[in-house]
Amino acid sequence: EDKVVQSPLSLVVHEGDTVTLNCSYEVTNFRSLLWYKQEKKAPTFLFMLTSSGIEKKSGRLSSILDKKELFSILNITATQTGDSAIYLCAAWSAGNKLVFGAGTILRVKS
Amino acid sequence: DGGITQSPKYLFRKEGQNVTLSCEQNLNHDAMYWYRQDPGQGLRLIYYSQIVNDFQKGDIAEGYSVSREKKESFPLTVTSAQKNPTAFYLCASSERQNTEAFFGQGTRLTVV
Repeated sequence: EDKVVQSPLSLVVHEGDTVTLNCSYEVTNFRSLLWYKQEKKAPTFLFMLTSSGIEKKSGRLSSILDKKELFSILNITATQTGDSAIYLCAAWSAGNKLVFGAGTILRVKS
Repeated sequence: DGGITQSPKYLFRKEGQNVTLSCEQNLNHDAMYWYRQDPGQGLRLIYYSQIVNDFQKGDIAEGYSVSREKKESFPLTVTSAQKNPTAFYLCASSERQNTEAFFGQGTRLTVV
């Protein structure tokens, strides 16, 4: 059975802190891993990772994939209250199936 | 503007009634998906479709049904067999595998 596991499930930090969100996966014929941010309703796309060891970066957010260990992390530096959201990890599996994890609820306090 | 439209945003139904959630996309994407979101459980896959007139069950298909008669439309019916239908439902589409999936704004279904 395809499985994507995220940790921690929730996290509270202060503005300016750095956070690391974790995602492990076990899916059939893994192709790529996606990160999304969900603030209210529709998740918005952050990164897609297909190759091991290559960091994707966008402003204060960065992510990396380890295909040997079946693991990805999402880092957010100098957090702001606007970073408060649910962060979702998803993996493309065989048969064009996109499997999501349970998400990490991040709350950034001012 | 291209995108995915889900309607309605909020839906209330009495227990035992079937209800259909609409999902339309004008992105010309082949693949479409339905997810259910409950607090603390992320997105769980209900059904997905890779091409017109074809669809597959996801992880929690029991009590749901879909159709894919047109490329741009993928409606979801929540039947009376679904034991706990109150949830937030998200529709998504993608051009193909290994690309970004785009989401609609969701439908919040409450069964009373």
